[in-house]
Amino acid sequence: QLVESGGGLVQPGGSLRLSCAASGFTVSNNNMNWVRQAPGKGLEWVSVFYSGGGTHLADSVKGRFTISRDNSKNTLYLQMNSLRAEDTAVYSCARDPTWGTPGYFDYWGQGTLVTVSS
Amino acid sequence: SYELTQPPSVSVSPGQTASITCFGDKLGDKYTYWYQQKPGQSPVLVISQYNKRPSGIPERFSGSNSGNTATLTISGTQAMDEADYYCQAWDSSTGYVFGTGTKVTVL
Repeated sequence: QLVESGGGLVQPGGSLRLSCAASGFTVSNNNMNWVRQAPGKGLEWVSVFYSGGGTHLADSVKGRFTISRDNSKNTLYLQMNSLRAEDTAVYSCARDPTWGTPGYFDYWGQGTLVTVSS
Repeated sequence: SYELTQPPSVSVSPGQTASITCFGDKLGDKYTYWYQQKPGQSPVLVISQYNKRPSGIPERFSGSNSGNTATLTISGTQAMDEADYYCQAWDSSTGYVFGTGTKVTVL
């Protein structure tokens, strides 16, 4: 199970930290991702924390967002700074269980809504 | 950056076959996955690695991938299959990539 929290209303230029608490599996043994979906729009991948320890950010959030994980809490985080109106979306965490070449998402959280507006 | 393109919409009559395409440069060299998303719900994986169906996904869902195009086929489409469908792949430079999404309407 994946449970996100931390969303809310924030002004442009502001910051938020999202959390994704996992249960039933170990976060550090999987490629853990953040995926967002703006209202009425498609899915957009945001960031990954690979099981091997590396990270990757989409170009649209590079330099503004940071992904991290706390193995002791089995939790994934997304620190979002310099937020823009176009970052408004439901943010979900998703697990990629594959080894070797990264693959697919088999478990998704329900998501947390981030609204960037003045 | 790597991109995946899908048709915005596909219409199909009940019991007929729906084909949803996903276009990307040399997509046939990558693993392609497919998700179904119904309104207000999280996406559900319907086609996994090696074009296999995860447990619980009906046999009417199948996938293929060759050249620059991947295809999700729904045979004997049912009303419950009406949803948005997304293809997805991984690219070493871009990361994970989703297709633009296709709305399937069962008329």
